[in-house]
Parts: sequence; C-alpha cells; structure tokens
Amino acid sequence: QLRLVQSGAEVKKPGSSVKVSCKASGGTFSSFAVSWVRQAPGQGLEWMGGITPIFGTINYAQKFQGRATITTDESTSTAYMELSSLRSEDTAMYYCARVGSYSYLDYWGQGTLVTVSS
Amino acid sequence: DIQMTQSPSSLSASVGDRVTITCRASQTISTYLNWYQQKPGKAPKLLIHSASSLQSGVPSRFSGSGSGTDFTLTISSLQPEDFATYYCQQSYGSLDTFGQGTKLEIK
Repeated sequence: QLRLVQSGAEVKKPGSSVKVSCKASGGTFSSFAVSWVRQAPGQGLEWMGGITPIFGTINYAQKFQGRATITTDESTSTAYMELSSLRSEDTAMYYCARVGSYSYLDYWGQGTLVTVSS
Repeated sequence: DIQMTQSPSSLSASVGDRVTITCRASQTISTYLNWYQQKPGKAPKLLIHSASSLQSGVPSRFSGSGSGTDFTLTISSLQPEDFATYYCQQSYGSLDTFGQGTKLEIK
C-alpha cells in the first residue's frame, strides 16, 4: 500500500522560500507521477504543478510558473516542492498526490501547513 | 487554462436524499474528469475517476456521468458520512484544474 508522508509545518517570512517534501513508502517515484495541490484557509483546491520522472517532464500552473520548483530524488523516493518569493497569500495547506493511470490523484499526503507571516 | 465551473456551490439535503452536483468544463475534456470528497482537516479522497469509474472501496451510492464538457456526480441515498465538500478536477492535457467545490450540508 502506497503511503505519502510530508514534512512538517513551516512558518516563513515574506520574500523567503519554503521547500516541502513528500516521501513515498510502498512505491517509488520513478514509476509514477506526482502532483502538488494547495488549499488556502477556507478555500478550494488549487493545482500547482506536477512531475513525471519516467518522462522527465514537469508542468506548472501558469500562476506558479517561475516561482514554484518541483523535483524528485528517486534514491530516497521523495518529491519536493519549493515555492519562492513567499507572500501572505501563500499561506495554505500544501498536498502532494500520486497521479494514477488516467491522471487522477489517488493517494495523497497528509498535507503541510505553510504560514507566511512577518 | 481549462476552467471548471461547479454548481451549486452549496447544497442542503437530508439523509436518504438523492443529490446531484454538476461540473462544466470551458472546453471539451473527453472523460478526463475526476471527483473528490474532502472532510474538514483531511486530505481529499478520490471517489470517481475518468468521469464514471468508481474508485476501489468507494460505496456504490456514488456515481458519475458525462463526457465532453458536462459532468455530474450523483449520490443516490445520502448517508451521514457523506456531508462534506466535493470537487471536480479535469486532467486533460498537462495542466490540471479543480472546480471551486460544492459544500454539502445537512438540512
């Protein structure tokens, strides 16, 4: 059974960066794609981007182009999402999720709360 | 980007009711449409993928239909544990988008 375990909550200053990790157990990232989704407090789900290691492709929602960086480390079965130039509007729960056969998100991490505050 | 419009944004219903939530895409997405349920403080849970395929372990009272631009999620007989927020997601092409969500509340 695949399990995705994310890193712990972060508090960051405006203008700084945050890097969230997502470690897989029961599977390796080389065999599937990973998406990152965020959810601001009381708001809906927002797809940020995804990576398909087997094809070496990375896609970002236009909103996050140039500010988000998604990577994987296959040696540790860990995916990362780094978001730079943080602002208060980036305060949100950040989720990683496995992309299943027809591009659905079938396994989710528990979420990482990122708070941006001066 | 493909825009997804869900309706209604909120819905009050009673246990045992039949409920339908709709999702419309701004362009055709074939059947690359997925539905998720989210409860407060929890990660979303996949219910339906590819417009109408029930995810393993999901009760059969949940069903999905549609293709092209118009899709529906139906819960045939609401149970107490179904009160949650539901999201559609399109996964056509390389850039996904979610609908804004439908909050299903107890009447």
